[in-house]
Amino acid sequence: NAGVMQNPRHLVRRRGQEARLRCSPMKGHSHVYWYRQLPEEGLKFMVYLQKENIIDESGMPKERFSAEFPKEGPSILRIQQVVRGDSAAYFCASSPGDRTEQYFGPGTRLTVT
Amino acid sequence: GENVEQHPSTLSVQEGDSAVIKCTYSDSASNYFPWYKQELGKRPQLIIDIRSNVGEKKDQRIAVTLNKTAKHFSLHITETQPEDSAVYFCAASTPIYDKVIFGPGTSLSVIP
Repeated sequence: NAGVMQNPRHLVRRRGQEARLRCSPMKGHSHVYWYRQLPEEGLKFMVYLQKENIIDESGMPKERFSAEFPKEGPSILRIQQVVRGDSAAYFCASSPGDRTEQYFGPGTRLTVT
Repeated sequence: GENVEQHPSTLSVQEGDSAVIKCTYSDSASNYFPWYKQELGKRPQLIIDIRSNVGEKKDQRIAVTLNKTAKHFSLHITETQPEDSAVYFCAASTPIYDKVIFGPGTSLSVIP
């Protein structure tokens, strides 16, 4: 049973470009969560999704950020018109839904130049 | 919404000593409390968790205690080893849905 997969592991974007981060949950997991972690800081909740539904996006900035978890394929976190302050590690986690253990992917480290 | 506080923010112990990290939460409906360990540059990994129907849980050198009345829970690591050095995050989750709120983290250093 493969763990949570994220790609790319490292992403460099220039200011104003778009960043697209992908997360494939563990097999059998239907719940996906995205977190942002700045250097030497904690994990900040961004968004919680189930298949084809956004359950809670209270931690995600209203502008430039969007997330989806389609019926088929990975969950995608999209950041439009990136700025230097978006540089961070973005982790996704998945859970089976009937329990609350979350398992994290390896993260995508976004650098905005 | 839920708010989780964690203390201390940094902790240094001698190898072989015990380490204790304490967390408090605000939402009395929270019923699931996981602990994660994150080594430098790595993903957070679940090391132990406890549910509100249990007061204490132990797994080898690590244990977690929960006091629902006081709304606090603690992580205890005994016989610490250098490989225990990492950042530890506590978290709390309510039964409404599976959203987990993390504490700010404790950086533990075990000095050989």
